Amino acid sequence: GQQLNQSPQSMFIQEGEDVSMNCTSSSIFNTWLWYKQDPGEGPVLLIALYKAGELTSNGRLTAQFGITRKDSFLNISASIPSDVGIYFCAGQPRVATSGTYKYIFGTGTRLKVLA
Amino acid sequence: EAQVTQNPRYLITVTGKKLTVTCSQNMNHEYMSWYRQDPGLGLRQIYYSMNVEVTDKGDVPEGYKVSRKEKRNFPLILESPSPNQTSLYFCASSLMGTGEAFFGQGTRLTVV
Repeated sequence: GQQLNQSPQSMFIQEGEDVSMNCTSSSIFNTWLWYKQDPGEGPVLLIALYKAGELTSNGRLTAQFGITRKDSFLNISASIPSDVGIYFCAGQPRVATSGTYKYIFGTGTRLKVLA
Repeated sequence: EAQVTQNPRYLITVTGKKLTVTCSQNMNHEYMSWYRQDPGLGLRQIYYSMNVEVTDKGDVPEGYKVSRKEKRNFPLILESPSPNQTSLYFCASSLMGTGEAFFGQGTRLTVV
């Protein structure tokens, strides 16, 4: 099936640092979404993007829908200990078959913040 | 409170013994889906449903069945579980067309 390449796979950062992660695909996506998963919980939506070039913020988080429609970026500014978790990108690929509404997830970026 | 409820949270079963994991949402969402999460593979969509009696395969549907007889419920059925179906399963729901999904707490299934 289709794959989303998410990088980095994991990262250790110091509290207060900014964090960047990205997601790329070989095919065009209609929608990009970013989720965070805490241990023992289900993913929680952080940001949703619907238009190429769109830049959206949610507090210290900023995400962008790439112009080519094949990538997306998530930035976290001034990280704090509670930012620890796994961040997933997800998207709805544009497919030739109408009425298909699959969603594809990346493999996740595991973030660890050192106080 | 808006929520997606899965049951059970934990399940250990033996190969071949049919099981059902239930999922219910209280947000009147049209779209519901099931995912499995495995280390290093992220979440992979098993099946999804766009409305009552409308279901379709995700990326990894083999060995699973679903049904959508009511809008709020979307059970996942494993007719003959095998050890390679040991995984963490999530149910999710959203309004059609948004992709802004609410996830359940997860069901950790072990098949021995």
